[in-house]
Amino acid sequence: KQEVTQIPAALSVPEGENLVLNCSFTDSAIYNLQWFRQDPGKGLTSLLLIQSSQREQTSGRLNASLDKSSGRSTLYIAASQPGDSATYLCAVRNSGNTPLVFGKGTRLSVIA
Amino acid sequence: DAGVIQSPRHEVTEMGQEVTLRCKPISGHNSLFWYRQTMMRGLELLIYFNNNVPIDDSGMPEDRFSAKMPNASFSTLKIQPSEPRDSAVYFCASSLGGVTEAFFGQGTRLTVV
Repeated sequence: KQEVTQIPAALSVPEGENLVLNCSFTDSAIYNLQWFRQDPGKGLTSLLLIQSSQREQTSGRLNASLDKSSGRSTLYIAASQPGDSATYLCAVRNSGNTPLVFGKGTRLSVIA
Repeated sequence: DAGVIQSPRHEVTEMGQEVTLRCKPISGHNSLFWYRQTMMRGLELLIYFNNNVPIDDSGMPEDRFSAKMPNASFSTLKIQPSEPRDSAVYFCASSLGGVTEAFFGQGTRLTVV
């Protein structure tokens, strides 16, 4: 059974810092991995999708990497801003048409 | 497309009442998922459908929970009778197989008193 772990559970950084959020999964035979952002009381917003054949994806200040063999992904946020404060969730899909398995998220606070 | 649409956004009901949550997936998506989110357990999959057919409902906590997808553009999650421990945020998500991103609705916050 696939399990997804995110470390740390919470993180507080000053504005402007570059930071890395970590995600690990137990079964390396994944189909793809997706990073989401969730603001308090809101739904999930998709940030990046990495297919199993890819090593990384970039969107603006966000860069997500994938190392399938070690069962790890990282989300790099450059030049953090207070507006980046949210919970970041990592989720993996084991095969096409199967559901996403989620980690419990990392709650990020960027202090101005 | 307006994205995944869920209704209602908030529901407060008394214990023992029937609750029906609704979801309209993104047009053209053939996979639909129902998740429940709580502080203690995070996001848990309840059930998912492919091409309107339920594939795995092992996450449905009890027989009080049921879900249907009568057509490609509509799904319901029903709880009957509701209990206080069912209080949570229920999310619906859809995708085009596993190829595309999964998109989530805004969720229904259910409170059972």
